[in-house]
Amino acid sequence: GQNIDQPTEMTATEGAIVQINCTYQTSGFNGLFWYQQHAGEAPTFLSYNVLDGLEEKGRFSSFLSRSKGYSYLLLKELQMKDSASYLCAVMDSNYQLIWGAGTKLIIKP
Amino acid sequence: DSGVTQTPKHLITATGQRVTLRCSPRSGDLSVYWYQQSLDQGLQFLIQYYNGEERAKGNILERFSAQQFPDLHSELNLSSLELGDSALYFCASSVAAGNQNIQYFGAGTRLSVL
Repeated sequence: GQNIDQPTEMTATEGAIVQINCTYQTSGFNGLFWYQQHAGEAPTFLSYNVLDGLEEKGRFSSFLSRSKGYSYLLLKELQMKDSASYLCAVMDSNYQLIWGAGTKLIIKP
Repeated sequence: DSGVTQTPKHLITATGQRVTLRCSPRSGDLSVYWYQQSLDQGLQFLIQYYNGEERAKGNILERFSAQQFPDLHSELNLSSLELGDSALYFCASSVAAGNQNIQYFGAGTRLSVL
């Protein structure tokens, strides 16, 4: 079967750095997406990786290793507004998105 | 604002009833996706349409149906509603249906079945 694993919940301190991991086992691979979702709101796109390596976008970076079936989202200089769920999703060989259950990130002052 | 419009924002109804949720995709997007998200749960993919045709089906109940119209807007019909159908229903759209297609989400319809 197809599977995406991410930690259920993480806690970090304002101003710090946090890394949210995602491991996947899917039928084929056509890219990995990260989305942010604040409680009760719509998911918003953060990043897309299809090749191995690090993609940096401001305070957020996303890394991919296809051979290891592994990605992480790195958030720097954490702000209170970063408190949200972070969803990892992989596009399989049929170009369908397989979604992880999400990681709830709690930022403490 | 993602450019995806969903109506209504909130819907309160009773068990056994039928409701219709509406979605207008971003201008130029041909693919529409429907998702269900129950409280504190992950996104559950229901169904995808591409340019008017059903493209993929997820865990969509037989009581639920959807369609995409020639103007590319989509409707999700939920019938014989049960308490467990209470959830946030999201619509997303993307340009096409292949790789690198970023899905943009509407604000959702919050359905409460009493």
